[in-house]
Amino acid sequence: AQSVTQLGSHVSVSEGALVLLRCNYSSSVPPYLFWYVQYPNQGLQLLLKYTTGATLVKGINGFEAEFKKSETSFHLTKPSAHMSDAAEYFCAVRPSNDYKLSFGAGTTVTVRA
Amino acid sequence: SQTIHQWPATLVQPVGSPLSLECTVEGTSNPNLYWYRQAAGRGLQLLFYSVGIGQISSEVPQNLSASRPQDRQFILSSKKLLLSDSGFYLCAWSGTVSDGYTFGSGTRLTVV
Repeated sequence: AQSVTQLGSHVSVSEGALVLLRCNYSSSVPPYLFWYVQYPNQGLQLLLKYTTGATLVKGINGFEAEFKKSETSFHLTKPSAHMSDAAEYFCAVRPSNDYKLSFGAGTTVTVRA
Repeated sequence: SQTIHQWPATLVQPVGSPLSLECTVEGTSNPNLYWYRQAAGRGLQLLFYSVGIGQISSEVPQNLSASRPQDRQFILSSKKLLLSDSGFYLCAWSGTVSDGYTFGSGTRLTVV
């Protein structure tokens, strides 16, 4: 079975500051890892994913994440926050032998002017 | 390109009334289809998934059911809604195992 833990249900950052959202996972087989963003009353949008290869993956809107197998982590970062980054972010894991995606509880990001 | 359509966007229904939410996918064949519910403070809960026509797996025993009458159509239903059925319902599809899910825009259901 797989699971995802997102550390911190709420994160507040100043505009222009670093955004760091933490995600740890457990999986009995090599995982595929994803980050999604959700704006109010909208569906989830894929930010980036890790499947194989380079452990640092770049996504949309300036976000990137690094897969660290030894730490079972897949933290999401953005060097400089923008007001438009205010949203809820979900980390998700999918075992390489299963179609089902398991989501973390989500982290709400607020950006202060 | 692939697109996913989900409707209606919002719905207010009385307790005890039936429910039918529809989701369709275009531009792909034999997608895996999913229904999720997002209730306040409870994250994303997988309700049903389907790997083919007529094949439905239920993740959570509840007042809801799902059907897949056509390859790219997924329907969420209830015969009698409960207050606890209120929430934001999301349909999603995926292709290969390395794919993420692509989500629809969601339906906000309020049961009154």
